This record gives sequence, structure tokens and C-alpha cells, in this order.
Amino acid sequence: DGGITQSPKYLFRKEGQNVTLSCEQNLNHDAMYWYRQDPGQGLRLIYYSQIVNDFQKGDIAEGYSVSREKKESFPLTVTSAQKNPTAFYLCASSMVGATNEKLFFGSGTQLSVL
Amino acid sequence: GNSVTQMEGPVTLSEEAFLTINCTYTATGYPSLFWYVQYPGEGLQLLLKATKADDKGSNKGFEATYRKETTSFHLEKGSVQVSDSAVYFCALSGPTGGFKTIFGAGTRLFVKA
Repeated sequence: DGGITQSPKYLFRKEGQNVTLSCEQNLNHDAMYWYRQDPGQGLRLIYYSQIVNDFQKGDIAEGYSVSREKKESFPLTVTSAQKNPTAFYLCASSMVGATNEKLFFGSGTQLSVL
Repeated sequence: GNSVTQMEGPVTLSEEAFLTINCTYTATGYPSLFWYVQYPGEGLQLLLKATKADDKGSNKGFEATYRKETTSFHLEKGSVQVSDSAVYFCALSGPTGGFKTIFGAGTRLFVKA
């Protein structure tokens, strides 16, 4: 079945450590996104990519980095510069070219600080 | 810029009650409008969408009508079930924001048996 796979489901970060969240899709979508979800808040866009080897900052990119070396993969690194990383992270994908295209989401990664 | 405002939760209802979750938006032009649902510990999934004024999106007994004159897209269901307990997000995409989707804060719904 086609879909988006995020791993791990739970992740713990120590002080000063970088951690990487995985996101893989087999939907053949060109666009991929990373969102951050905090309790009681909506989703905030961290980074997005419309095509391989290209990505753009979203609304809250500071302290995060991404790469898009393959169409299927869009990993997110939470760096030590992100001082408040505890949140639920959601990866999504969509077709590109029409504004009415829906987003397909993975099941998320809960990141906590030790 | 574009934005979405939805009613604060939580909303608590008894089974078979009528549900309304209000959503209003600010956008230039004619965005596409969406309702997504998130069950505990999961990602979001599309519930319904509407792409132009007066369109009605519907799915699983839920409905929402794109009202350009009131810039609203309220979610309704005639008779809720316990299994409808979840967080509901109103969202829009385009036209001035390109294909990026902007989400409301979400409304948590609890349905009691």
C-alpha cells in the first residue's frame, strides 16, 4: 500500500545532541513537508520541498535542517540550536501543481528532551 | 497573509447529538478549503474539501459548505458517534500562498456514550 512512513515513533534527545527524524514516501509525490505540532496548537511549517535537491524554509526553520537527495526521502535534523524541541513532528507529501491537492501525512514522531 | 481561525475546544457531546465546529478564514482570492481529522497518536487525514464558493464537501456524515460571503467553512454532523472523538483541523491552501497549506489550531471533540 502507498503511504508515508515516519520513524522512529518516539525519540529522546540529550542536551547538545543532534537527532534525525526519518520520512519516506512511496506515493511518487514531488512535494514533501515537515510540520511541528505543539499541544493545543495548530501545525506550523518547518521546511518544505517541491523537487529533489531543493527545499525552502517554512515559518519556524531555525534550529532545523533538511535534505532532499531522493524523491522518496525527506529527513529532518533537529540540531542543538533548537532550544525547545519537544513536540510532535509530522511529515507530509502532496502532488505539485494544484492548490486543491490534499496532504498525505505520516503517523508522526514524538520528540522529547532528556 | 492567509490565516484560519476555528472555535476553541474541547467540545463535549453525547452520542447522537448535532455537531458544529466553526471555521473562518482570511485569504486573498479563492483558496481551497479543507477539514482534516487526527485520531490519538496518529497523523492527520483528509476528511473533506471544497475548492470553490458554494461547494459542499461531505464524507462519513460530515459536511461543510464554502461560504465566500462570510469567509466560513463550518463543519457539521447530524448525529455524532463515540468513534468521532478526535481533533479536527480546518485548513486552506492557495491562491496567494501557493500550494502551502495553513492550518487552524484544531478543535478537540469528545463524544460520550
